[in-house]
Amino acid sequence: EDKVVQSPLSLVVHEGDTVTLNCSYEVTNFRSLLWYKQEKKAPTFLFMLTSSGIEKKSGRLSSILDKKELFSILNITATQTGDSAVYLCAVSTNAGKSTFGDGTTLTVKP
Amino acid sequence: DGGITQSPKYLFRKEGQNVTLSCEQNLNHDAMYWYRQDPGQGLRLIYYSQIVNDFQKGDIAEGYSVSREKKESFPLTVTSAQKNPTAFYLCASQGPGQLYGYTFGSGTRLTVV
Repeated sequence: EDKVVQSPLSLVVHEGDTVTLNCSYEVTNFRSLLWYKQEKKAPTFLFMLTSSGIEKKSGRLSSILDKKELFSILNITATQTGDSAVYLCAVSTNAGKSTFGDGTTLTVKP
Repeated sequence: DGGITQSPKYLFRKEGQNVTLSCEQNLNHDAMYWYRQDPGQGLRLIYYSQIVNDFQKGDIAEGYSVSREKKESFPLTVTSAQKNPTAFYLCASQGPGQLYGYTFGSGTRLTVV
C-alpha cells in the first residue's frame, strides 16, 4: 500500500521565521512528488519534483527531493501571515493516481 | 477562463438517500479524480478516470459510484451504502502526461442529517 507521511502535523511561527516541512513516502512505481497549498477549499499546486537534488524555487518557497532516502522538504523563508495554510504533499505513481499525506497546518502569527 | 466547477457547494442529505455531486471541467484534460477529505486529514482517492468511458476504483470506493460519459464531466454518486458520507469532496483534473499538478474544483461539503 502506498504511503505518504508529513511532519510536523502543525506548526506555529511568527512572521519572518523560516520553516521546513517534511514529507516521506513509500510507493510503488514512483513518478513524481507534488506539493500543494490549501487555504480554504481547493488546494493549489506549488511544485512538482521528479529528480533528486534539483531544487525548485518560487519566491520565498523552495523544495527538494531525495529519491534515495524517499524524502522531500518544503522550505518557506521570511514567512508572512498569508503563508498560513495546510500544506499537502502527494506522490504520483505510474498507475496514474496520487496518494496524499495528512498535511501540515502552518500558522504564521504577526 | 478554464477551470473545474463543482456543484453544489453545500449539500444536505437524509440517511438512506443517494446523492450526486457534479464536476465539470473545460480544460480539455483527460484525467479526472474524486477525493474525499475529512477534518485534519489528507485527501483519500475515491475513483479516477484517465479516459472517457473508463474509470478505476481508488482506495475508498465502497459506497460510491461514478460515470465518465463525456470528457468534461465526472459526476460522483454517494449511495446509501456509504456508512459515513459526511465529508468534503474534491474533484480534480490533470493535463496530458502528468506533467503538471492537479487542478482542483472548489469542493462540495456533504452533510448527512
